[in-house]
Parts: sequence; structure tokens; C-alpha cells
Amino acid sequence: AQTVTQSQPEMSVQEAETVTLSCTYDTSESDYYLFWYKQPPSRQMILVIRQEAYKQQNATENRFSVNFQKAAKSFSLKISDSQLGDAAMYFCAYRAYGGATNKLIFGTGTLLAVQP
Amino acid sequence: KAGVTQTPRYLIKTRGQQVTLSCSPISGHRSVSWYQQTPGQGLQFLFEYFSETQRNKGNFPGRFSGRQFSNSRSEMNVSTLELGDSALYLCASSTATSNTEAFFGQGTRLTVV
Repeated sequence: AQTVTQSQPEMSVQEAETVTLSCTYDTSESDYYLFWYKQPPSRQMILVIRQEAYKQQNATENRFSVNFQKAAKSFSLKISDSQLGDAAMYFCAYRAYGGATNKLIFGTGTLLAVQP
Repeated sequence: KAGVTQTPRYLIKTRGQQVTLSCSPISGHRSVSWYQQTPGQGLQFLFEYFSETQRNKGNFPGRFSGRQFSNSRSEMNVSTLELGDSALYLCASSTATSNTEAFFGQGTRLTVV
């Protein structure tokens, strides 16, 4: 069975600085999707970035980028130029490849605080 | 276009009662998944419906059930509520294709007293 592990329950960063959130996963599949979701106090899960395992290139979305290490089964999220609005719970998630299911397997989350 | 709508937003129920939560997916999305979020267990997958059929189910007791209607709206039902069922219940909708993201609703906060 696939598992996702986030070993940092809480992180803190100064405004305008860079922070990296860690995520490791376990799967025997070669193709899959990985996601980072953000959950602010409003509770709505918002997709931050996604990575297809078959793509070598690391995904980037503006200030957000990932370091995808397939062999090490590692998927970290880097937030550059941190802003107060980045404060939230961040979840790493795994989804199997193919159209048979949209089930997401989540890590336990990392609570990010942004200090002014 | 409108996002995923979950109703009600908040609910307080008594132990032993039953509850029904509703989720209206984004127009055109045929896949609806439900998740339970608690401080202790985190985000856990309940079940997924696609074209009115349950195609995946998490490890929850039979008190948790769901269904999907022809317009893709989904409901989940919890019978004989227990204190431990207090949680945020999140619904996510997706299209039929594999290379898409899941869009989440704002959730229903259920409190069992």
C-alpha cells in the first residue's frame, strides 16, 4: 500500500525568506502523481503544485517549486519570497496513475507559520 | 464556474443520530470523493463515486455510506453517530480523465455531542 510521510509537523519562516517542506512516499508503482495542497484557516484545500512521476523536470508555479527525487521517493516543496498569506497547513498527497481512481493519499501535514 | 459546494457548513448532532451531508461537484465533473479530517487521524479517504457507482472505498465501518445521483451530486450518510465521528468532512470533485486535479469544497464541520 502507498504511504506518504511528512516529518515536519510545524515550520516557521520569516517573510520574504525561503522555506522547504519535506515529503517522502512509498509506492511500488512507476507512474503516479504527487501534489502539494494548502489548507488555510478557511479549511478549503487548494492545489499548490503537482508533479507527474514520469516527468524528469521539477514542477514550478511562480514562487512554488518542487524537488522531485524519484529514486529516493522524495518530494519537497520550496516556497520562495514567503508571504504572510502563505501561512497554512500544507499537505503532500499521492495519487495513482491512470483513470481507475482519483483517490488521494495524504501525509499528516506541515503547519507553516510566516513571521512578519 | 462555480466551485464544489458542500452543505451544510456546520452541523451538531447527538450520539446515536444519523446525518446526511451533501456535495455538489463542479459542473461536468463526474467523480466525487469524500475525506474525513480529524486532528488525530489526519485526512482519510472514505469513498469515491463515479457515474453513480462506488469505485473505491476506504477503511471505515458500514455506518458510513454514500451515493451519487445522475447529476453527479453526492451524499454521504453516517448512521448511529459516535463521538469519534466529529470531524471535518471534505468532498472533492474531478473530471473523468486521469490527468486532472481534485477540487475541494470548504467542508462540513460535524460535531457529535
